[in-house]
Amino acid sequence: EVQLVESGGGLVQPGRSMKLSCAASGFTFSNYGMAWVRQAPTKGLEWVATISYDGSSTYYRDSVKGRFTISRDNAKSTLYLQMNSLRSEDTATYYCTTTALYYFDYWGQGVMVTVSS
Amino acid sequence: DVQMTQSPSYLAASPGESVSISCKASKSINTYLAWYQEKPGKSNKILIYSGSTLQSGTPSRFSGSGSGTDFTLTIRSLEPEDFAVYYCQQHNEYPLTFGSGTKLEIK
Repeated sequence: EVQLVESGGGLVQPGRSMKLSCAASGFTFSNYGMAWVRQAPTKGLEWVATISYDGSSTYYRDSVKGRFTISRDNAKSTLYLQMNSLRSEDTATYYCTTTALYYFDYWGQGVMVTVSS
Repeated sequence: DVQMTQSPSYLAASPGESVSISCKASKSINTYLAWYQEKPGKSNKILIYSGSTLQSGTPSRFSGSGSGTDFTLTIRSLEPEDFAVYYCQQHNEYPLTFGSGTKLEIK
């Protein structure tokens, strides 16, 4: 059974950093592209970033480009999202997902990030 | 960016009925459209990708159609577990974009 478990969220002040992790199991992690999708409170879903199966290619939405970095450790079956210079508009639940052909096959339960002073 | 306009935002129906949800793209996305189901306390689930291909495990009462800019998700003979929020998403180009969601509630 595919399992994606996010961690690392919480309350952070504007301008500070936070790193999310996603522990994957139940599939061959190194064969799959991975992504982060977020959902602000009472809002819809928003794609954040994607990384290829081997980490050689990354893609970001414009609003996080230069501030967020997606990475992975295939030996540990773990996906990361380093978030710097956080803004109030980054407040959301962040979901770790597998991705194939640009859609999202499996989703984690999500981790909440609140950016507030 | 490709804007995805989903309608209606809210839909009430009874078990056994059939419903349709529309998703319109601001430009052609070929057939690269996915549908997801969101339920409280559960992980989001992909139902359909590439417009009409059912993900493994998706019940056959779900179907997707359309190409270009206009797409439809149809659920025939609603079951109690189908009452949820549904999102469309274009998977043709970056940035990947979602519709605003349709909440399907029991009448």
